[in-house]
Amino acid sequence: KAGVTQTPRYLIKTRGQQVTLSCSPISGHRSVSWYQQTPGQGLQFLFEYFSETQRNKGNFPGRFSGRQFSNSRSEMNVSTLELGDSALYLCASSLWGPGSPLHFGNGTRLTVT
Amino acid sequence: GIQVEQSPPDLILQEGANSTLRCNFSDSVNNLQWFHQNPWGQLINLFYIPSGTKQNGRLSATTVATERYSLLYISSSQTTDSGVYFCAVERVGQFYFGTGTSLTVIP
Repeated sequence: KAGVTQTPRYLIKTRGQQVTLSCSPISGHRSVSWYQQTPGQGLQFLFEYFSETQRNKGNFPGRFSGRQFSNSRSEMNVSTLELGDSALYLCASSLWGPGSPLHFGNGTRLTVT
Repeated sequence: GIQVEQSPPDLILQEGANSTLRCNFSDSVNNLQWFHQNPWGQLINLFYIPSGTKQNGRLSATTVATERYSLLYISSSQTTDSGVYFCAVERVGQFYFGTGTSLTVIP
């Protein structure tokens, strides 16, 4: 069974631009969640989607948004990029969300200059 | 939110040694998971363990939910065990991660 796939692996963007990251979950997994990892703040939960609906949300500004498609694939968008958005963005899939184990992708490393 | 503290922050072991990593959390949680982040950044799920004890090869984990802590045991450590170990807890749909224990296993 294929694992969680995130694309692209690396991105370099300029302040003020927007970016879209993609995540394909493990086949059969209906929940996708997103996380930001930085040296200063560690791993932080962004949001979780299940059946195309955002079910849970962390404490991030509205510039961070996401969506999930009918095939459970998910995208995350960050608008008006700031230098502090430079991070490793990780996506995880699970069978049904909280209450089932998380399986992470390799991440997308975003650098904002 | 829930505070998740891991100890020790750093650990250096000789190959073959055993170790215990600890995760304390500040409030009741629905579940707890342990992850290993390898040097390339990938997070691997080691255990989903809201309570009780589980074993997988040289690794085992115990969660005592009523006392708000979990332990990860690594026996006969190998160089491939190097990396950062995170615990993560979930409550009301929110996930909280500890700051991790960085493990280096020396041949």
